[in-house]
Amino acid sequence: DSGVTQTPKHLITATGQRVTLRCSPRSGDLSVYWYQQSLDQGLQFLIQYYNGEERAKGNILERFSAQQFPDLHSELNLSSLELGDSALYFCASSQGQGANTGELFFGEGSRLTVL
Amino acid sequence: ELKVEQNPLFLSMQEGKNYTIYCNYSTTSDRLYWYRQDPGKSLESLFVLLSNGAVKQEGRLMASLDTKARLSTLHITAAVHDLSATYFCAVRGTGNQFYFGTGTSLTVIP
Repeated sequence: DSGVTQTPKHLITATGQRVTLRCSPRSGDLSVYWYQQSLDQGLQFLIQYYNGEERAKGNILERFSAQQFPDLHSELNLSSLELGDSALYFCASSQGQGANTGELFFGEGSRLTVL
Repeated sequence: ELKVEQNPLFLSMQEGKNYTIYCNYSTTSDRLYWYRQDPGKSLESLFVLLSNGAVKQEGRLMASLDTKARLSTLHITAAVHDLSATYFCAVRGTGNQFYFGTGTSLTVIP
């Protein structure tokens, strides 16, 4: 158990709908990262937050948005869903800047299926 | 942008054999990570390499880092079926961003 909690674990929805994925980082971790992993694809970096502020954006679509709240949990909002958005969405956390090893700890992922 | 390349992408090996996975990255970084992912599962941290010449071993896996060559290797000794998984290397860049390789899908055949 990495200590990173993601909900829901599985989600099935229809095209055009909107969903919210939630992530609670490990206790004490200030940085949260979101990744998308499609079938047979590598990890696509979406966005990074540090202590409530956006720090970096990757290949995140305009239909997607995220935020990190004062209690450090994060939410990834996916709207106007398309079939191609079906994927495993991972949240990862780390201590953040200045940390010793700085490694990422991954949650179990949220599997999104768009029908 | 920092680029991370892994090879091979796919590796099928017999039990008992040795093999090495390579991870090259394009610009200077002070941290390199190896992760393991079982199908449909999360990524599990295997090794954290923090300095040039660092070598870490856990069971049949050994990872090393050459920062001058911008190269890390993951060596598998006497492979067993339980090692079948996808292995990712990742490099930490500026702004605490992480850049992942494409992954190496390892299948160990009895």
